Amino acid sequence: EIVLTQSPGTLSLSPGERATLSCRASQSVSSSYLAWYQHKPGQAPRVLIYGASSRAAGIPDRFSGSGSGTDFTLTISRLEPEDFAVYYCQQYRTFGQGTKLEIK
Amino acid sequence: EVQLVESGGSLVQPGGSLRLSCAASGFTFSSYPINWVRQAPGKGLEWVSVISGSGGSTYYADSVKGRFTISRDNSKNTLYLQMNSLRAEDTAVYYCAKEFGRVLAATNFDYWGRGTLVTVSS
Repeated sequence: EIVLTQSPGTLSLSPGERATLSCRASQSVSSSYLAWYQHKPGQAPRVLIYGASSRAAGIPDRFSGSGSGTDFTLTISRLEPEDFAVYYCQQYRTFGQGTKLEIK
Repeated sequence: EVQLVESGGSLVQPGGSLRLSCAASGFTFSSYPINWVRQAPGKGLEWVSVISGSGGSTYYADSVKGRFTISRDNSKNTLYLQMNSLRAEDTAVYYCAKEFGRVLAATNFDYWGRGTLVTVSS
């Protein structure tokens, strides 16, 4: 069973800064099945990136995904106030434990 | 507009049963696999179960296998999760989530509901 490990657990940044979130798989995975989600309290999770690097419909271009094999990255180029949330990576039906992006 | 609305969550005693529902609209319900995903208090997302568009294929996480049953009524555009032998560790918000593609491939879940809270406690 593949395990996804996200780092850091918590990331404290200010609006306007760049955020880099990591997702590492315990074994090589297909990029086709790597997705990233944003989740805010009381809301439905929202898909941001699928296929490791393709933005979902309606997602701003400040969100980008990259990586292959075992190492994947979600980058938010310039943080907006609404971007502070918990982010999860997903491979097939396994989720990482999440990275909380909080305002510094 | 695609909508998924969960219902049926409540407080239940350990060993009890509960049935969750997920009402779908805005897409051809019978064409897509739908998942249940849960989030325990203070924890991350955990996949629970999936059912194919026709209902002919189902899969479960090991943590719920033999206790939970997923089903769907395509004539009512509704997904269900029958939960039996509930444990304290089943306490969570339960979300239904539509798969992006029509084949059971889990490339991503493109629409989610807001969830329904299940609390297992005496």
